[in-house]
Amino acid sequence: QVQLVESGGGVVQPGRSLRLSCAASGFTFSDYGMHWVRQAPGKGLEWVAVMSNDGSNKYYADSVKGRFTISRDNSKNTLYLQMDSLRDEDTAVYYCAKGGGSSCYFYVNCWGQGTLVTVSS
Amino acid sequence: DIVMTQSPDSLAVSLGERATINCRSSQSVLHSFNSKNYLGWYQQKPGQPPKLLIYWASTRESGVPDRFSGSGSGAEFTLTISSLQAEDVAVYYCQQYYSSPFTFGPGTRVDIK
Repeated sequence: QVQLVESGGGVVQPGRSLRLSCAASGFTFSDYGMHWVRQAPGKGLEWVAVMSNDGSNKYYADSVKGRFTISRDNSKNTLYLQMDSLRDEDTAVYYCAKGGGSSCYFYVNCWGQGTLVTVSS
Repeated sequence: DIVMTQSPDSLAVSLGERATINCRSSQSVLHSFNSKNYLGWYQQKPGQPPKLLIYWASTRESGVPDRFSGSGSGAEFTLTISSLQAEDVAVYYCQQYYSSPFTFGPGTRVDIK
């Protein structure tokens, strides 16, 4: 079965960096677009970023553009999110999520359990 | 950016009764080249990640009970739970994946009356 396991969350000071990883298994990782979605405590879902199956296309939410970078290593079945210049408002649970197809333009059909990122001085 | 709105913010329905959630996008999410609506519905229970219920506005995900159905086209969509069960208590979100950023609606909380 599909498994997505996020890691790398924790407490970080404003302005610092953090890299999240997502280990995927149970499906052919290189066939699917992959997303990051976040949820601030007690709030709704916020889509963050997506990368197509081969890495040729990627898109970001306006709130993270220029600060966050999505990447993937298909040889390691792993998705990454490099988060730089972190702000208080980036505090959230970050979910790794599998798209329904190869391109970026698909629904999300599987979610990890999430990793908590807390930005605080 | 496409803005997604949902109504109501919350609703309480008796067990076995119908629950209806509306979702509106600020522009059409119907793609002319394949006639598909790029709209999904998700269910999130407390302490859990979201779960896909409906994609392409009306296609039920495998394993989702048939009391869940999606309808609508263009910019107006509806998620219907035909007979509410206790396990359906959750927050429901719509999302458009027509254009980046792939925005979610604010969510609708469903409780038992």
